[in-house]
Amino acid sequence: DQQVKQNSPSLSVQEGRISILNCDYTNSMFDYFLWYKKYPAEGPTFLISISSIKDKNEDGRFTVFLNKSAKHLSLHIVPSQPGDSAVYFCAAYQAGTALIFGKGTTLSVSS
Amino acid sequence: KAGVTQTPRYLIKTRGQQVTLSCSPISGHRSVSWYQQTPGQGLQFLFEYFSETQRNKGNFPGRFSGRQFSNSRSEMNVSTLELGDSALYLCASSLAPGVAGGNEQFFGPGTRLTVL
Repeated sequence: DQQVKQNSPSLSVQEGRISILNCDYTNSMFDYFLWYKKYPAEGPTFLISISSIKDKNEDGRFTVFLNKSAKHLSLHIVPSQPGDSAVYFCAAYQAGTALIFGKGTTLSVSS
Repeated sequence: KAGVTQTPRYLIKTRGQQVTLSCSPISGHRSVSWYQQTPGQGLQFLFEYFSETQRNKGNFPGRFSGRQFSNSRSEMNVSTLELGDSALYLCASSLAPGVAGGNEQFFGPGTRLTVL
């Protein structure tokens, strides 16, 4: 049973517009959520995280929103740039256990 | 500071063989985690080691094993390879176990294993 789901395998956005990547989870015990970005032939790179006690965290062009009642989080990228084109993984963590990843969403930003 | 290194980067094996993959963490990092990435399943957790002890293990068969040495370097072994083991195997290191409180995991570039 998949505990972290990214239901959109791909997303296409124009440069300068907003990219919204979504993630749903089933385990209410998760207390930390993270987003990673992955380029081909490279390992994933940490992007931004949020604790379960918060509902928003912002870092430059990247903002993560957490809706615990809906068990949903989203990553907003504003404005989107061609260099943001990559696979984005949502991940969730419960203390003492392992990091659980979603299957990823491929973002394509066209100029 | 050197990043996480994984060797070899590419590997081709045949069914039934065994393989050993190596991971050298960032200097000072004592926690190492392994993940399997396949197109259909995303990243799936294999194991986590800290101070030479396995702390967590994912839902993989016993053919998958690992260990960590006193210098924090880690190896994973897959015996009796199957076609479905073809994947990118990623290693990540961090100062301590887990990822909360700013304890970031840094990933290596991965080892691409192809089983024929």
